Order: sequence, then structure tokens, then C-alpha cells
Amino acid sequence: GQQVMQIPQYQHVQEGEDFTTYCNSSTTLSNIQWYKQRPGGHPVFLIQLVKSGEVKKQKRLTFQFGEAKKNSSLHITATQTTDVGTYFCAGLNNNDMRFGAGTRLTVKP
Amino acid sequence: SAVISQKPSRDICQRGTSLTIQCQVDSQVTMMFWYRQQPGQSLTLIATANQGSEATYESGFVIDKFPISRPNLTFSTLTVSNMSPEDSSIYLCSVEGDSSYEQYFGPGTRLTVT
Repeated sequence: GQQVMQIPQYQHVQEGEDFTTYCNSSTTLSNIQWYKQRPGGHPVFLIQLVKSGEVKKQKRLTFQFGEAKKNSSLHITATQTTDVGTYFCAGLNNNDMRFGAGTRLTVKP
Repeated sequence: SAVISQKPSRDICQRGTSLTIQCQVDSQVTMMFWYRQQPGQSLTLIATANQGSEATYESGFVIDKFPISRPNLTFSTLTVSNMSPEDSSIYLCSVEGDSSYEQYFGPGTRLTVT
């Protein structure tokens, strides 16, 4: 079955440093979504990517979808303490959505 | 996006008992989803609940253990039956967005089984 792998599992950065999390699927995806879960909170939808090679930006966050629609990345420029949380990707294939394991980001002020 | 509430927000239960979790949405939705998230882990889909039909369960989850009701387009319940400590987890309901497949999650129910 479909598997979605996400790395790294943890990332600790100094405030102001950049951060990237990567997501890879074993199958070609219809779309990929990204979620953020603050400590003690629930996952919150950030963005959805549909097209091959698509790039979307939300302020300091840049999301990319690979040409083969099997991988994706989330890059945060100049992290802030408000970026703390776990970032999950979720890949959709044939109405089957699978979440990655998540990358837990901590930011040192 | 939909506004979703869940009850209870947390509970501590004894093994062998059952707990029913309620999920209420502020708008009518076709599909509702139930997830389990163990501490520090990812989200695992338990089942998909459509109004007017039997819930569809994912591999490893069965109706006898996790019966689901979906009486109308704004409400669903998940029961965790005959609980054991391994059922300790956060249980989340979610709904799909209006125009695409993004999901909106409820605040979750934190269950501890002793």
C-alpha cells in the first residue's frame, strides 16, 4: 500500500535559522497537503499542492511539489518561536490519504 | 472552514469499559473521519463515516471495537469498546473542505485507560 515517509523526525534550530522538512511517497500522488500541529493542539491545514512542480508561498513558508508528484518539501525562512510545532505532510492517492510521521520543530530564542 | 467540537475533551477510564466520543460540526458535511494519534506519533485513520451508510474501517480497526454512528450530516460518534491501556491515545474527528480534500480537525479527545 501507499507509504508516506517524512524526514527529519526532529529539528532543533536557533531562531532566525531556516528549516526544511521533506516528504516522499512510494506512489504518485494526486495531491499533497501540509498541516501544522502546535504542542497540545490539533492539526491545522496549511496548504494543498496539486500540480507537478508546483510552488506555493505563505509568508515565510515555501511549499514545493516534485515534478514526479512523489515528493514535497516545506521550507521556513528565518524561523520564529511561533513556528514551533509538528509539521505533517499528507499524500492523497486514489482517495487514500496517508499522513507522514511528522517533523517536530523546536526553536531556541 | 468548518468549526468542529468534540466531547469529552479528555477522560480517564478503567480497562474493560467503553467510552463514546461525540463530534459536532457547524455545517452539513458528507464525510466525517475518525483518527487516532498516539503521543508524539502521526495520525492513523480509523474509519470514514458517511451519513446513511455503514462506516468504512481501515485495516487493523474493526466495528466491534470502534462502533461509529452517523445519524445526520452534522454529527458523529465513535465508541472505544472494552478498553485496554493500549487504547490510550488522542482521538480526532475531521471533515473535508468544501472544494478539495483538505481536512479540518476537531480539538481531539485525550483518552487514558488505566
